[in-house]
Amino acid sequence: LAKTTQPISMDSYEGQEVNITCSHNNIATNDYITWYQQFPSQGPRFIIQGYKTKVTNEVASLFIPADRKSSTLSLPRVSLSDTAVYYCLVGASGNTGKLIFGQGTTLQVKP
Amino acid sequence: DTGVSQDPRHKITKRGQNVTFRCDPISEHNRLYWYRQTLGQGPEFLTYFQNEAQLEKSRLLSDRFSAERPKGSFSTLEIQRTEQGDSAMYLCASSFSTSGMYEQYFGPGTRLTVT
Repeated sequence: LAKTTQPISMDSYEGQEVNITCSHNNIATNDYITWYQQFPSQGPRFIIQGYKTKVTNEVASLFIPADRKSSTLSLPRVSLSDTAVYYCLVGASGNTGKLIFGQGTTLQVKP
Repeated sequence: DTGVSQDPRHKITKRGQNVTFRCDPISEHNRLYWYRQTLGQGPEFLTYFQNEAQLEKSRLLSDRFSAERPKGSFSTLEIQRTEQGDSAMYLCASSFSTSGMYEQYFGPGTRLTVT
């Protein structure tokens, strides 16, 4: 599975747009890019997944350039409740679908 | 609530004791995973079941750890002769094998403290 690199932490203020970038230089042709969110004392929660270009859902947008060596999770108009750890994962489902998490990005939203 | 549930939510035990955790996945999900998470780190994969068959175990899963999923429904994770290094959050997740790749549904976890 491709190794990912993302910032350890980020700060933002309520109402701002937050962009978290993840590098995955060794991404394979059949790899998908997936983001999970984790609040303290809870299990991770699936946010969004994409293969190329742009994906948008009710929670976030995912931007993937043509070379797919990086991706950006965009959270519009964050609120205090978006304070969490965000994990970028890259890989194909394979036979087991197991997830390989990195350290993630701790996003702190301030009032 | 039809999400993944785990029991207990918290467990404090003394070193050397055995502990058992239970996970009830979403009922129609045939895949079940166990992960372990320590403070400041992302979850680490421990083991995976497809229905009742345990198909993969991480090297992290020492001989003191055993997991079962009888009848392909709930699962248990047992740790024998606990050590202080076993203190962590133990997370269970489930998914349906034909759903989108990597969309797993996690339970709230069981926090284990070994004193």
